[in-house]
Amino acid sequence: DVKVTQSSRYLVKRTGEKVFLECVQDMDHENMFWYRQDPGLGLRLIYFSYDVKMKEKGDIPEGYSVSREKKERFSLILESASTNQTSMYLCASSLLVSGNNEQFFGPGTRLTVL
Amino acid sequence: DQQVKQNSPSLSVQEGRISILNCDYTNSMFDYFLWYKKYPAEGPTFLISISSIKDKNEDGRFTVFLNKSAKHLSLHIVPSQPGDSAVYFCAASAIGSNYKLTFGKGTLLTVNP
Repeated sequence: DVKVTQSSRYLVKRTGEKVFLECVQDMDHENMFWYRQDPGLGLRLIYFSYDVKMKEKGDIPEGYSVSREKKERFSLILESASTNQTSMYLCASSLLVSGNNEQFFGPGTRLTVL
Repeated sequence: DQQVKQNSPSLSVQEGRISILNCDYTNSMFDYFLWYKKYPAEGPTFLISISSIKDKNEDGRFTVFLNKSAKHLSLHIVPSQPGDSAVYFCAASAIGSNYKLTFGKGTLLTVNP
């Protein structure tokens, strides 16, 4: 079974803090993704990575950065957290080549920025 | 510009009846479509997918229909069960997109006992 784990289920931070969200997958997947989910807006792609040290911007990268130093780990960094970054953050992974482009998701991190 | 649209934010059906969730897309480069199901406080889980070379794919109670000319797909759940109550997301990927998925906004399905 593919397992994608995220470092925290719930996180509360203050405005201006630097925030690290960690994601680890155990299936040797090449692709990893970070999304945020907001009510009425669905899932929006922040960043993705298709190889170690490779990253590409998604649809809403502003205010975020990422790091992928090892294949199994993909970190999302909020350089200076703001209240509009309060959201559910979801990490996902997938094979570089798969039959149906399925992505496997972690349980999510509910981040609240005060 | 929303490339994948789920125009119904919510849907309520009776247990045992059919649930039909709809999804429209605008990008003609999309060649693979997936449905995900999401319970509160959990990550989305894959449900069923369909390639653009097919018009139907079935897996147990779940069937996805694709109408390429109308750029429309639908998910049918028959019979609906209370445990199917969740948010359903339609997603699509385009040729050469590094397997990026574009998601719709989701439809909240409530199945009443």
